[in-house]
Amino acid sequence: AQSVTQPDIHITVSEGASLELRCNYSYGATPYLFWYVQSPGQGLQLLLKYFSGDTLVQGIKGFEAEFKRSQSSFNLRKPSVHWSDAAEYFCAVGGNRDDKIIFGKGTRLHILP
Amino acid sequence: ETGVTQTPRHLVMGMTNKKSLKCEQHLGHNAMYWYKQSAKKPLELMFVYSLEERVENNSVPSRFSPECPNSSHLFLHLHTLQPEDSALYLCASSQGATGFNTDTQYFGPGTRLTVL
Repeated sequence: AQSVTQPDIHITVSEGASLELRCNYSYGATPYLFWYVQSPGQGLQLLLKYFSGDTLVQGIKGFEAEFKRSQSSFNLRKPSVHWSDAAEYFCAVGGNRDDKIIFGKGTRLHILP
Repeated sequence: ETGVTQTPRHLVMGMTNKKSLKCEQHLGHNAMYWYKQSAKKPLELMFVYSLEERVENNSVPSRFSPECPNSSHLFLHLHTLQPEDSALYLCASSQGATGFNTDTQYFGPGTRLTVL
């Protein structure tokens, strides 16, 4: 069965610093990987997704993620965070037609001024 | 209105009440979803509708009853709920007719439900 692990429940970084949020997945075939962001009081918004091709994926708001099959990881990065990036971030994995998308528990990002 | 809208945004109900949550998508999508989001737990998929037919029911208690009258509207009827049902209920939609595997999902802002 597929699964997603986000090992960090909370992460705090200073504004302007770089960011990396970790995501590890378990899936028996080629995964479809997603990162979503949820701002307070809002639903989830897609940041980026990976289906195939280039393993470095660019998304909205300056985010990128790298798919590493050997490590079963799909970590999210941003070179310089802004106060508006404070939110909760969810990694998700999907795949074959019969497999529903599974979400991780989320990582809450706090930004220090 | 654009995107996915949900009403009400907040709902407080007693255990004996009957209420309904409404979701509407203005994106022309073919699939719609209900999720439950509880603190410290992963997002839980409750129901999936594709072309107005239910294609997924994740062992949800019968006190939750979905209804999809057309491809733009999705309801979640609630009755005899328990306090542990208090959560944020999110609606989403996606383009594909069988989209719950790979399609990008577009989420509404959710309904914050409190069961007393």
